[in-house]
Amino acid sequence: QKEVEQDPGPLSVPEGAIVSLNCTYSNSAFQYFMWYRQYSRKGPELLMYTYSSGNKEDGRFTAQVDKSSKYISLFIRDSQPSDSATYLCAMSAIRIGRGSSNTGKLIFGQGTTLQVKP
Amino acid sequence: EADIYQTPRYLVIGTGKKITLECSQTMGHDKMYWYQQDPGMELHLIHYSYGVNSTEKGDLSSESTVSRIRTEHFPLTLESARPSHTSQYLCAIQTGGTGELFFGEGSRLTVL
Repeated sequence: QKEVEQDPGPLSVPEGAIVSLNCTYSNSAFQYFMWYRQYSRKGPELLMYTYSSGNKEDGRFTAQVDKSSKYISLFIRDSQPSDSATYLCAMSAIRIGRGSSNTGKLIFGQGTTLQVKP
Repeated sequence: EADIYQTPRYLVIGTGKKITLECSQTMGHDKMYWYQQDPGMELHLIHYSYGVNSTEKGDLSSESTVSRIRTEHFPLTLESARPSHTSQYLCAIQTGGTGELFFGEGSRLTVL
């Protein structure tokens, strides 16, 4: 069983729809959760970063973490064609910070491909 | 924000050739990483470095090697490329603060 499970999609929605992207995980030690967006033939770019449980909002994006269910979500409101990309969840069990000796060992999900149709 | 550059972006070569994928950054960050990503699959860490003369293998076994002679450069080398090495290779740096990873645009390697 993979540590992080993510439905690869593809997910196709009309412009303006609310999109829900999800990941489940098995390692209860995960505390740091990230969402990356990756456009075709580009490197991933960080969208959201959250610690432990709760919600975090940034513009049209909301990240939600439910540690009791080992489930994280990314919501996109008023989706736009420019949101069409692959969204990867990533998580880590240890703080990754300046001076820390740990690796950047993020465990990534497979990625969900989203297409927003005009 | 951090500037990280990967070259070449695309490379098609024949079996048995030696190749080097370049990764460079301008901000002097110590921590750098190489990930491998197959189409539709998750990213796998293959190498990382904490600074000059520091290199470690990641979770996914790889026949590639890396070096870190200068802070700015973290090249990845395949001595004898094979079709199984066909993949996208992503270089990343880790900044301070929240420790997020910044990725380059990737090098897409095809071995015929």
